[in-house]
Amino acid sequence: DSGVTQTPKHLITATGQRVTLRCSPRSGDLSVYWYQQSLDQGLQFLIQYYNGEERAKGNILERFSAQQFPDLHSELNLSSLELGDSALYFCASSAGSNSGNTIYFGEGSWLTVV
Amino acid sequence: SQQGEEDPQALSIQEGENATMNCSYKTSINNLQWYRQNSGRGLVHLILIRSNEREKHSGRLRVTLDTSKKSSSLLITASRAADTASYFCATVSISGTYKYIFGTGTRLKVLA
Repeated sequence: DSGVTQTPKHLITATGQRVTLRCSPRSGDLSVYWYQQSLDQGLQFLIQYYNGEERAKGNILERFSAQQFPDLHSELNLSSLELGDSALYFCASSAGSNSGNTIYFGEGSWLTVV
Repeated sequence: SQQGEEDPQALSIQEGENATMNCSYKTSINNLQWYRQNSGRGLVHLILIRSNEREKHSGRLRVTLDTSKKSSSLLITASRAADTASYFCATVSISGTYKYIFGTGTRLKVLA
């Protein structure tokens, strides 16, 4: 158990809908990362937050947004969902924001768009 | 685009044999990390090697780093069926953006 908690574990929704994925980082970790893993795209970095502020941005679509709250949990909002958004979404956390940190992954949220 | 590319994409070996997988990356890095992912599960950190290190060991794992060739290798010795998983390298560039960029992964299958 990494200590990173993601909910929901599985989600099925229709195209055009909006969903919110939630992540609780390990106790004491200030950084949260979101990744998308699909069969054809591998593991894609989406975005990183550190102590409530956006720190780095990757290949995150404009239809997607994220935030980190004062209690350090984070949410990833996916809107106007398309079939291609079906993927496993991972949250990860680390103690700090520098490059020497190990990042710890949650078990992921499986999103299926039908 | 991916920073790291693992090679081979898939590897099948017998239990007890050694498994070697390679990672190549594009830009200068601060450190490189290897992770394991069991099917449909989260990634688990295995080992971190810094850019000024050439080799690191952890149990049955040996990692090398050649910054001149922008490549790293992960050796798993005396493999076990439980080592069956996908293995990813992750790099953090020195540009300071703190993005951990993962490669495409090597799918390792260890046959009992």
